[in-house]
Amino acid sequence: AQSVAQPEDQVNVAEGNPLTVKCTYSVSGNPYLFWYVQYPNRGLQFLLKYITGDNLVKGSYGFEAEFNKSQTSFHLKKPSALVSDSALYFCAVSPPRGRRALTFGSGTRLQVQP
Amino acid sequence: GAVVSQHPSWVICKSGTSVKIECRSLDFQATTMFWYRQFPKQSLMLMATSNEGSKATYEQGVEKDKFLINHASLTLSTLTVTSAHPEDSSFYICSADPRSTDTQYFGPGTRLTVL
Repeated sequence: AQSVAQPEDQVNVAEGNPLTVKCTYSVSGNPYLFWYVQYPNRGLQFLLKYITGDNLVKGSYGFEAEFNKSQTSFHLKKPSALVSDSALYFCAVSPPRGRRALTFGSGTRLQVQP
Repeated sequence: GAVVSQHPSWVICKSGTSVKIECRSLDFQATTMFWYRQFPKQSLMLMATSNEGSKATYEQGVEKDKFLINHASLTLSTLTVTSAHPEDSSFYICSADPRSTDTQYFGPGTRLTVL
């Protein structure tokens, strides 16, 4: 069985500072890893994914994530946070074969203060 | 990116009635769509996998007779909540995965409130 852990319910950061939202995973084989963002009463927007290749993945809105196989982590990062980045962030994993349903982490609320 | 729509965006119904939610892939075909449920301040839980032209695959604990799924075309899946009760009130979100992208794109969600 696969699982995703997001250890922080909330992350607070000042505008302009770098941000990190943590994610660790457990899955057999090589996982497909994703980050999504959700604004209030909205669906999820795709930010970025890791399937293979370079461990540093760049995505939408200046976000990036680093795949670390030895630590089974896929932390989301941004060099300079914006107030508009405040939202709920979900890390997700799917197996590389078979069904492609996503297993989500519990979500981390990012609050960027002006 | 690919676009997925849902209709309605919100619905309020009386207990005992049935509600149909539509999920459409607007600019791609999807042989598989997924239905998730999200409770307030919680994560998304997979309910079922909708397969075009065949029966849906339900997750353990999800009542297939209560949550009817029909995937009649390559761009449309419907979720019908039958005989809805207040405990069915939730945010329902669908997703679809365009071929060759390995990425799921999500609809905007449907908020169901059962009185």
